[in-house]
Amino acid sequence: GQQLNQSPQSMFIQEGEDVSMNCTSSSIFNTWLWYKQDPGEGPVLLIALYKAGELTSNGRLTAQFGITRKDSFLNISASIPSDVGIYFCAGSMYSGGGADGLTFGKGTHLIIQP
Amino acid sequence: DAGITQSPRHKVTETGTPVTLRCHQTENHRYMYWYRQDPGHGLRLIHYSYGVKDTDKGEVSDGYSVSRSKTEDFLLTLESATSSQTSVYFCAISGPSGDTQYFGPGTRLTVL
Repeated sequence: GQQLNQSPQSMFIQEGEDVSMNCTSSSIFNTWLWYKQDPGEGPVLLIALYKAGELTSNGRLTAQFGITRKDSFLNISASIPSDVGIYFCAGSMYSGGGADGLTFGKGTHLIIQP
Repeated sequence: DAGITQSPRHKVTETGTPVTLRCHQTENHRYMYWYRQDPGHGLRLIHYSYGVKDTDKGEVSDGYSVSRSKTEDFLLTLESATSSQTSVYFCAISGPSGDTQYFGPGTRLTVL
């Protein structure tokens, strides 16, 4: 099946620093999604991307859909303690519908040191 | 928050016993999904449903069956649980336009 390579696996940063993580795939995706998961909870959708080259922001978060349709990145600016958690990228082969389910990366564990 | 509940939230069972997990949505959305989450593997799709009585297999469907007799309920059954099925199970529903997925709180299943 399809695989998403997400990096880095973990990040140890200082509060206030910017964060960057990315996902790459050997297959083309038509939708890229970024989720955050806190301990003991389900993933929460942060940003959805639908077009190659699209750059979308949600507060301090910015994500881009790669031109080749095989990659995406997520940036977090001026990190704060509540940004701690695991971030997942996910891709769908469908545009306008995740009908057949999502393929997930293995996650980036973000740890912030005060 | 999307109106998704999962029950039970925690379950411990023994190898060989049947287990059924329930996902309930109040959003009346067409698509529903079951994923499992394991360390080092992220989330992997088990089965999904695109309508009442319409289901299909995902990446890791062996040992699992599903049923959807009503729009709001999607059941995941382990006919004979094995230790390899110890995991956290998440249900998800598609968004109103089918372009995103929203997740429930999860069920932690331990098979001894």
